[in-house]
Amino acid sequence: DAGITQSPRHKVTETGTPVTLRCHQTENHRYMYWYRQDPGHGLRLIHYSYGVKDTDKGEVSDGYSVSRSKTEDFLLTLESATSSQTSVYFCATGTSQPDTQYFGPGTRLTVL
Amino acid sequence: GQQVMQIPQYQHVQEGEDFTTYCNSSTTLSNIQWYKQRPGGHPVFLIQLVKSGEVKKQKRLTFQFGEAKKNSSLHITATQTTDVGTYFCAGPTGGYQKVTFGTGTKLQVIP
Repeated sequence: DAGITQSPRHKVTETGTPVTLRCHQTENHRYMYWYRQDPGHGLRLIHYSYGVKDTDKGEVSDGYSVSRSKTEDFLLTLESATSSQTSVYFCATGTSQPDTQYFGPGTRLTVL
Repeated sequence: GQQVMQIPQYQHVQEGEDFTTYCNSSTTLSNIQWYKQRPGGHPVFLIQLVKSGEVKKQKRLTFQFGEAKKNSSLHITATQTTDVGTYFCAGPTGGYQKVTFGTGTKLQVIP
């Protein structure tokens, strides 16, 4: 697996608080992604990045923002967490040769 | 937008039985990727198919890409307990190496 770490790995927070999840990669991959995984929904793309400071929305971006100030770091922020954002969050990196995605270990977030 | 569906959603098999999951896209795909996620783990890339009608094998796993490049299948021969997990297909979506993941098939193997 590619060198992808996520922090924290587990977090419990309360409704209305801000939360930031971090993804760090050591592979120098250009593309990075944030997904959420929920039962019955598979993996859904929240936001993605195609370069430093270049980001765009995915299919479930409401309530989330991202930043990428360095190639290796991709941050996901929940400005004001809600219970509907309780989920497992995966970061992934992408390459074009081969055309694959590599996933981090995930962060389990619980919003009470 | 593009939709990628998989069937079945769940499958329980006795160890030694065969297993197949099917992936169907609403649009033609330039390639199809397959991933496996073990319980409590993260998705791991298995293989990519690119050509119409392509068949690839990895030991007991056989992957097929349909002639119309809108469907794919994964067949596991003689399942083992190590095959337990959720299998996802994924197809490219709109550039930047983005993909749309299928809904996944969760495989349980009964010893």
